[in-house]
Amino acid sequence: AQSVSQHNHHVILSEAASLELGCNYSYGGTVNLFWYVQYPGQHLQLLLKYFSGDPLVKGIKGFEAEFIKSKFSFNLRKPSVQWSDTAEYFCAVSAYSSASKIIFGSGTRLSIRP
Amino acid sequence: GAVVSQHPSWVICKSGTSVKIECRSLDFQATTMFWYRQFPKQSLMLMATSNEGSKATYEQGVEKDKFLINHASLTLSTLTVTSAHPEDSSFYICSARDRAFGTSGTDTQYFGPGTRLTVL
Repeated sequence: AQSVSQHNHHVILSEAASLELGCNYSYGGTVNLFWYVQYPGQHLQLLLKYFSGDPLVKGIKGFEAEFIKSKFSFNLRKPSVQWSDTAEYFCAVSAYSSASKIIFGSGTRLSIRP
Repeated sequence: GAVVSQHPSWVICKSGTSVKIECRSLDFQATTMFWYRQFPKQSLMLMATSNEGSKATYEQGVEKDKFLINHASLTLSTLTVTSAHPEDSSFYICSARDRAFGTSGTDTQYFGPGTRLTVL
């Protein structure tokens, strides 16, 4: 079965700093990878997803993620964060063969100091 | 974009009663819906996969008799928490997979806003 680990529990940055959130997954087969964001009091929104092709995926709001198969990683990046990026970020994986079942990581809380 | 709604958005009930939560895909058909549970400041835990017209598939450790799932149509799945107890208090979130994506390997799920259940 697939699993996801997010190493950073809580990240605190100042505005304009660069961001990288780590995500590693465990699964031997083909996977789909996702990053979701949950703003305070709101529901989950998809930031970006990787199914196949270019391992560098660009998402909404200036976020991008790179799939490195050899490292089983799918780290999320943003060159310059804004106060409005304060939220909970979830990395998630679904195994191609598991009929879309998505497994979430534990989440990383991002706090941006204005 | 695709929209998934949940009703109610929050519910308070007494211990021992049953609560039904609805999940609807508003502008697309969903052969598969998923139910998650999220505790405060924690991640989403998949509870079960709900397939239209068939029995739900529950994750290990989830009591199927306690969390009854029905997926009677392509736009509606319901989760009933039977004989609720305070430890069932949580945030329940559903997601729906767009039927337009024919293969299971590459698709997108859309998440509902969640239902906060408080059992007194």
